[in-house]
Amino acid sequence: EIVLTQSPGTLSLSPGERATLSCRASQSVSSSYLAWYQQKPGQAPRLFIYGASSRATGIPDRFSGSGSGTDFTLTISRLEPEDFAVYYCQQYGTSPALTFGGGTKVEIK
Amino acid sequence: QVQLVQSGAEVKKPGASVKVSCTASGYTFTNNGISWVRQAPGQGPEWVGWISGYNGETYYAQKLQGRVTMTTDTSTSTAYMELRSLRSDDTAVYYCARRPPNNSGNPVTDYWGQGTLLIVSS
Repeated sequence: EIVLTQSPGTLSLSPGERATLSCRASQSVSSSYLAWYQQKPGQAPRLFIYGASSRATGIPDRFSGSGSGTDFTLTISRLEPEDFAVYYCQQYGTSPALTFGGGTKVEIK
Repeated sequence: QVQLVQSGAEVKKPGASVKVSCTASGYTFTNNGISWVRQAPGQGPEWVGWISGYNGETYYAQKLQGRVTMTTDTSTSTAYMELRSLRSDDTAVYYCARRPPNNSGNPVTDYWGQGTLLIVSS
């Protein structure tokens, strides 16, 4: 089973700043089947990035994903007030099983 | 538009069973699978299992094997997740999510239900 480790646990930033979130896998993620989700309190996770770098429908271009193999990054170029939330990475592969990271909370400094 | 609508919150006693429903609309149910994910209070998501909308094939998380059963009713585009012998650590929000097939090129869980809160308490 692939284990995903996200860092940092919490990121304290101001609106307008750049956010860089990391997701490291315990073994290589096949075909870059790595996704990023945003979750706000009381809401379901929302797909933001899939295939490591493709934005989901309706996701603004200030969000970008990169990486391959075992190291992946979600970058928010300039934080907007609505971007403060928890972000999870997820490995989905060709097996039905899913693995999630522990999450990174992006909070207002 | 794709929508997944789940049944309402449940409160159960330890040892009881619960059955959560997830009704899909806006896409062809039998062309996709449904993944179930749970999230305990203050924790990250945890995969529970998956069921094919095409033929009902299932895969369950090993830790829940023997206690969980997933089924579908294709006539109503509804997926069900039953969890038995409930324990306090089953308390969580349970989500269903659409998962396209592998041959779609991108089998990511793209649309999620609103979640069903399950509280297990004596």
